Amino acid sequence: EAQVTQNPRYLITVTGKKLTVTCSQNMNHEYMSWYRQDPGLGLRQIYYSMNVEVTDKGDVPEGYKVSRKEKRNFPLILESPSPNQTSLYFCASGPFSSYEQYFGPGTRLTVT
Amino acid sequence: EDQVTQSPEALRLQEGESSSLNCSYTVSGLRGLFWYRQDPGKGPEFLFTLYSAGEEKEKERLKATLTKKESFLHITAPKPEDSATYLCAVLSSSNTGKLIFGQGTTLQVKP
Repeated sequence: EAQVTQNPRYLITVTGKKLTVTCSQNMNHEYMSWYRQDPGLGLRQIYYSMNVEVTDKGDVPEGYKVSRKEKRNFPLILESPSPNQTSLYFCASGPFSSYEQYFGPGTRLTVT
Repeated sequence: EDQVTQSPEALRLQEGESSSLNCSYTVSGLRGLFWYRQDPGKGPEFLFTLYSAGEEKEKERLKATLTKKESFLHITAPKPEDSATYLCAVLSSSNTGKLIFGQGTTLQVKP
């Protein structure tokens, strides 16, 4: 089944404790992206990647890191999480030709 | 600055009552405009891509249209299962890969 998977789905952590949210797709898509969704602010792009070893900032990259060492994986790293990073996070992938995106199920992160 | 505005924020319809959702955009060259549907607690689901003014796409009771300044998502004879939040996003030709989403329109269809 073609899909985007994210792990974990739910995470509660404390301020300053490094964490990684994994994202994997099995559709051989070149384009991958991370978003956060907050009430009243909508869906905002954090980082995106056009292909392996090619990443770029979205609208809200501060406090996040990404890497794209393999085509199928695009992990999101929070080196020192803070409470303002409490949010619902989505990973998405899509073909470079059309940019239509297919989203994962989401990761709900709470930082206390 | 690239911008996307959706209206209305919320829309309540009776089953069978057709209506339209609006997505107004300002971009420096449109590479693509996308419509997504999002159910509570789930990831957005891709519906349509529109690339140029005058283009139209249809899927079941949904029809998306595009002009140089806005896009409409027309819902014909909606059913309760069409209840969801509908998101619009644009991709600018000057910012390859960077998508800007609107705030969404939450649609509720009552039986």
